Amino acid sequence: QKEVEQNSGPLSVPEGAIASLNCTYSDRGSQSFFWYRQYSGKSPELIMFIYSNGDKEDGRFTAQLNKASQYVSLLIRDSQPSDSATYLCASGGGADGLTFGKGTHLIIQP
Amino acid sequence: GAVVSQHPSWVICKSGTSVKIECRSLDFQATTMFWYRQFPKQSLMLMATSNEGSKATYEQGVEKDKFLINHASLTLSTLTVTSAHPEDSSFYICSARLNTEAFFGQGTRLTVV
Repeated sequence: QKEVEQNSGPLSVPEGAIASLNCTYSDRGSQSFFWYRQYSGKSPELIMFIYSNGDKEDGRFTAQLNKASQYVSLLIRDSQPSDSATYLCASGGGADGLTFGKGTHLIIQP
Repeated sequence: GAVVSQHPSWVICKSGTSVKIECRSLDFQATTMFWYRQFPKQSLMLMATSNEGSKATYEQGVEKDKFLINHASLTLSTLTVTSAHPEDSSFYICSARLNTEAFFGQGTRLTVV
């Protein structure tokens, strides 16, 4: 059974600081990893995806993947109150649907 | 990014009735679409994979006779919740993949009373 684990939080971070979100996965065969942001009552929106070991940066966001440790993380620099949301980590690829973690509730304190 | 449109965004129905939810890919063709369900404070759980022109593939524990999926064209998949019960009340979300990215519809909040 494929599983994706996340700390549910809430994770509270001061505005302007770096928010660090972590995720582990059980399926060593997983190739693709995704971070989604979900506001309450809304559908998830894609922030980043990563396939290769190492870091991938996009604006204020950096995704990190370590396949040996089966670990994925998302860093949010210069956190803003609008970043407050639930962040979902997901794995999957090809013709398969995504396996989601339960999400981490992030609160950015003004 | 690509647009996936889901309709309706919310629906309230009586117990025992059926509800149809539509998922459309507006600017691309999707041979495969995915249906997820999300209960409050839970993550998205894949219910089924909808394949254009063939039968849907259901995840373990999802009743195929209760959740009817039809993918009649490359841009439309429908999910019909038959004989809905209060425990079916949930947030239903569809998704379609374009290249490496999965795009989600707006979601449908189903409340069965």
